[in-house]
Amino acid sequence: DGGITQSPKYLFRKEGQNVTLSCEQNLNHDAMYWYRQDPGQGLRLIYYSQIVNDFQKGDIAEGYSVSREKKESFPLTVTSAQKNPTAFYLCASRTGPDTQYFGPGTRLTVL
Amino acid sequence: GNSVTQMEGPVTLSEEAFLTINCTYTATGYPSLFWYVQYPGEGLQLLLKATKADDKGSNKGFEATYRKETTSFHLEKGSVQVSDSAVYFCALSGSPSGNMLTFGGGTRLMVKP
Repeated sequence: DGGITQSPKYLFRKEGQNVTLSCEQNLNHDAMYWYRQDPGQGLRLIYYSQIVNDFQKGDIAEGYSVSREKKESFPLTVTSAQKNPTAFYLCASRTGPDTQYFGPGTRLTVL
Repeated sequence: GNSVTQMEGPVTLSEEAFLTINCTYTATGYPSLFWYVQYPGEGLQLLLKATKADDKGSNKGFEATYRKETTSFHLEKGSVQVSDSAVYFCALSGSPSGNMLTFGGGTRLMVKP
């Protein structure tokens, strides 16, 4: 099955900890994206990568970091510098010039 | 810059009622327009898209027409079902943000039996 997988589905973090969210795709898409969704709100772009070994900051990159060492993988690290990390995190990849497809999401909660 | 405005929800309808969710946009150039649907606890699924003026996107009984003169992309369905209950997001892709998607705030639809 081709698609985008995110793990874990639920993640709990203690104050001051870094956590890494996984995003994998087997669609052979070059571009990948990370979004944050807060309750009752739309999506905000954290980071994106158009090609392996390259990535760019989105609108709300502070407190987050990413890597893109392989085409299939685009992990997101939520660092302790992110003051309000509790949210739903969505990964997407792009086919063609504009259509993005989304993974099932990871819900992060800070304890 | 680009922006998308959707009608605020929740929209509550009875089963088999007609649905309209309004979406208007501001953009430079000629954006592509999208509707995504999000079921509870899940990611977004692409519902339909249109890439140029007067195009009609359609899927699963939902339709939306790209209206450049009114900068709108309203979502419609002739007869909703309980299973259509979800949050619907309008989005655009185009200059100056290139391949980035700009999303509206989402509209929650609740369909009662």
